[in-house]
Amino acid sequence: KQEVTQIPAALSVPEGENLVLNCSFTDSAIYNLQWFRQDPGKGLTSLLLIQSSQREQTSGRLNASLDKSSGRSTLYIAASQPGDSATYLCAVQGQTGANNLFFGTGTRLTVIP
Amino acid sequence: KAGVTQTPRYLIKTRGQQVTLSCSPISGHRSVSWYQQTPGQGLQFLFEYFSETQRNKGNFPGRFSGRQFSNSRSEMNVSTLELGDSALYLCASTGRGLAGETPYEQYFGPGTRLTVT
Repeated sequence: KQEVTQIPAALSVPEGENLVLNCSFTDSAIYNLQWFRQDPGKGLTSLLLIQSSQREQTSGRLNASLDKSSGRSTLYIAASQPGDSATYLCAVQGQTGANNLFFGTGTRLTVIP
Repeated sequence: KAGVTQTPRYLIKTRGQQVTLSCSPISGHRSVSWYQQTPGQGLQFLFEYFSETQRNKGNFPGRFSGRQFSNSRSEMNVSTLELGDSALYLCASTGRGLAGETPYEQYFGPGTRLTVT
């Protein structure tokens, strides 16, 4: 069974700092990997999706990389802002393409003004 | 384009009762997935419906069921509620890769917060 781990569980950084969130998964046979953010008590907002054939994706200040063979992904956030404070979740989709995602436990990010 | 909507947003039920939650996917999306989020277990997949058929199912007891209508709207039902069913229930619709969407990207609704007392 696919298991997804995110480290660290919580992170506090001063505004303006660049940071990296980590995600690892046990079964490298994935179809894609998706990063989400979740604000307290809210639903999930999709940030980036990386197909299994891709190495990275970028959106604004966010860059996500994928190393399928080693079972790892990172989310890089440049020039962090207080509005980036949220829980960040990574999720992998199995290779069959079935639409059930396996989620990590998340990293709670706090950006201090 | 309107996002995924879920109703109701909040619900309080008593143990033993049953509950029905509703999800309307993004227009044109045919796949709807349901997830349960709790502090202890995190986000767990419940089931997926596609074209009115359950296509995938997670590891939840039979008290959890769902259905999908011809307009792709989906409902999930939980019978004989237990205290442990208190959670945020999220539904997601999946992009088909049309009109600039990324195939298989999942879009989540705001969730229904269920409290069982």
